[in-house]
Amino acid sequence: GQQVMQIPQYQHVQEGEDFTTYCNSSTTLSNIQWYKQRPGGHPVFLIQLVKSGEVKKQKRLTFQFGEAKKNSSLHITATQTTDVGTYFCAGQEGSNYKLTFGKGTLLTVNP
Amino acid sequence: DAGITQSPRHKVTETGTPVTLRCHQTENHRYMYWYRQDPGHGLRLIHYSYGVKDTDKGEVSDGYSVSRSKTEDFLLTLESATSSQTSVYFCAISGTGMTDTQYFGPGTRLTVL
Repeated sequence: GQQVMQIPQYQHVQEGEDFTTYCNSSTTLSNIQWYKQRPGGHPVFLIQLVKSGEVKKQKRLTFQFGEAKKNSSLHITATQTTDVGTYFCAGQEGSNYKLTFGKGTLLTVNP
Repeated sequence: DAGITQSPRHKVTETGTPVTLRCHQTENHRYMYWYRQDPGHGLRLIHYSYGVKDTDKGEVSDGYSVSRSKTEDFLLTLESATSSQTSVYFCAISGTGMTDTQYFGPGTRLTVL
């Protein structure tokens, strides 16, 4: 079955440093979604990427979808303490309406 | 936040007892999902529903059953709870299902002693 690998599992940074998490799928995806979960909270949708090579930005966050539609990345520029949480990628394969989640990257930020 | 509630929010139970978790939505979304979240495993799909009385298994369905008799309610039942089912359970909904985002409920923390 479809597998989605996400690295790193943990990342600790100083406030102001950049952060990147990577996601790789064992199969070609129709789209990939990114979610953020604050400590003690529930996952919240951030963005969806559909097109090969797509790049989207949300303020300090940059999301990329690989040309082969099998990998993706989330980059945060100049992290802030409000960025703390676990970032999940989730892949959708073909017309299957199920999402397969990566295990997430827990980001902690030292002020 | 989407109109999704889960009940109970916390539950402690003993091994061998039946447990039912409820997910209620006010968005009239067609698709509903149950996930469990455990350290080191991320979110794993237990069961999902693509309409009233239409359900299917996810990747970790053993020991769980579900029912959906109304659009707004999706129930998850542990017929005989085991300690390995101690987890945080999230319900999620989506509209069209295909290339649609999922909205998550607040979660239920279940402890099986």
